[in-house]
Amino acid sequence: QVQLQESGPGQVKPSETLSLTCTVFGGSISSGGYYWTWVRQHPGKGLEWIGYIYDSGTTYYNPSLRSRVTILIDTSKNQFSLKLSSVTAADTAMYYCARDRVWSFDYWGQGTLVTVSS
Amino acid sequence: QSALTQPASVSGSPGQSITVSCTGTSNDVGGYKFVSWYQQHPGKAPKLMIYDVSNRPSGVSNRFSGSKSGNTASLTISGLQAEDDADYYCSSYTSISTYVFGTGTKVTVL
Repeated sequence: QVQLQESGPGQVKPSETLSLTCTVFGGSISSGGYYWTWVRQHPGKGLEWIGYIYDSGTTYYNPSLRSRVTILIDTSKNQFSLKLSSVTAADTAMYYCARDRVWSFDYWGQGTLVTVSS
Repeated sequence: QSALTQPASVSGSPGQSITVSCTGTSNDVGGYKFVSWYQQHPGKAPKLMIYDVSNRPSGVSNRFSGSKSGNTASLTISGLQAEDDADYYCSSYTSISTYVFGTGTKVTVL
C-alpha cells in the first residue's frame, strides 16, 4: 500500500521560500508510470493544482505559480519536494502531495498546513 | 487557467440520487477523457472516486458513477447515504499538460 507523507515548516515568513518534502512509502518513486504532484487548499476554499514531476525530472507547473515554483525529485531518498519563493499571506494553505496515476490522483498525503506570517 | 465550474451545493434525502456537474472548456473537460472526481470530508485528504470520466477505483461503491457530454462532466450518487455528506471536486487534464480542479460542491444529505 502506497503512502505519502508531507514534511516541512508549518510557518514561513513573508518574502521567504516555502520548502516541503513528500516521502513515498510502500513503492519506488522511480518505478515509472506515475507523476508526483503537489496540490494546495486555501482555508475553507477549493483545491488548486500546483505542479508535478516525473522521475526523469520533467516538470509541469500551474501557469499562475510557474514563476515561483520548483518541484524536484530525489529518487535515492524516495522523495520529491516543493519550493515556492517570495511567499505572501495568500500562500497560506494546506499543502498535499499526491501520486498521479495518469490522469488522476490516487494516493494522497494527509496534508500539511503552512502559514505565512512574520 | 480558470477553475472548472461546479454548483456550490447539492442536497438530497437518503436513498435519493443526486448529480453534480462540472463545466469546463474544449481545452480541458471537452477535449479529453481525463476527468476525475474526488470526495473530501472535513479535515481529511481528498479521495479518488472516479477516474477517466466514468471508471471507479477498486473499493469505491458502485453508487458513484460518472459521465461526460461536451464540456460538462457529471458525478451521480445514487442511493444517497449519510456518509456521502462531503465536498466533491472534479479535475481535468488540460491542453497545456496541466490539471485544473473544479470550484467544489458541498453535498448535503438531508
